[in-house]
Amino acid sequence: GQQVMQIPQYQHVQEGEDFTTYCNSSTTLSNIQWYKQRPGGHPVFLIQLVKSGEVKKQKRLTFQFGEAKKNSSLHITATQTTDVGTYSCASNTGKLIFGQGTTLQVKP
Amino acid sequence: GAVVSQHPSRVICKSGTSVKIECRSLDFQATTMFWYRQFPKKSLMLMATSNEGSKATYEQGVEKDKFLINHASLTLSTLTVTSAHPEDSSFYICSAPIGSNQPQHFGDGTRLSIL
Repeated sequence: GQQVMQIPQYQHVQEGEDFTTYCNSSTTLSNIQWYKQRPGGHPVFLIQLVKSGEVKKQKRLTFQFGEAKKNSSLHITATQTTDVGTYSCASNTGKLIFGQGTTLQVKP
Repeated sequence: GAVVSQHPSRVICKSGTSVKIECRSLDFQATTMFWYRQFPKKSLMLMATSNEGSKATYEQGVEKDKFLINHASLTLSTLTVTSAHPEDSSFYICSAPIGSNQPQHFGDGTRLSIL
């Protein structure tokens, strides 16, 4: 079945540094969604990308969907301690198939 | 406010006990709901798709007789972990989309601990 690989698994940054997580698929994705999960919490929807080469921004977060619709990235500019959590991409084919997630730790 | 309600939030019970977890959609009808399991420091793994009025669709490797799913109404799906054992201890979480191809809204999850 469809799989989405996500790297890195963990990332520790100093507050103010940037952060990026990447998702890759061997097959073309119809769309990709991004979720954030705080420790002990449930995933919260961030955004959905549908179009080839699409770029969307939410304040300090920038989401990209590759031209071939096989990869996606999430970039956070100038991280803050409130950004701590696990960021996961998910392929939506009627059901969500999650990547492994990247757990972000931010040192104040 | 929450759009998907999941209960209970935490269960601790003895090995051999069956545990029922409820997932309710609030203020919308969900013909489809999803059940996931998450082990510590691991990603969400889809267990099954719960379909209102019909049988659930299970992912490969998930025992349907072990994890019973019932979706008897448009707002309620239940997952029953039958004869639970310590290896079933995990974080179980449900989700539902408000519409087709819409983002999933997740319940708060149920932390299951089997002694």
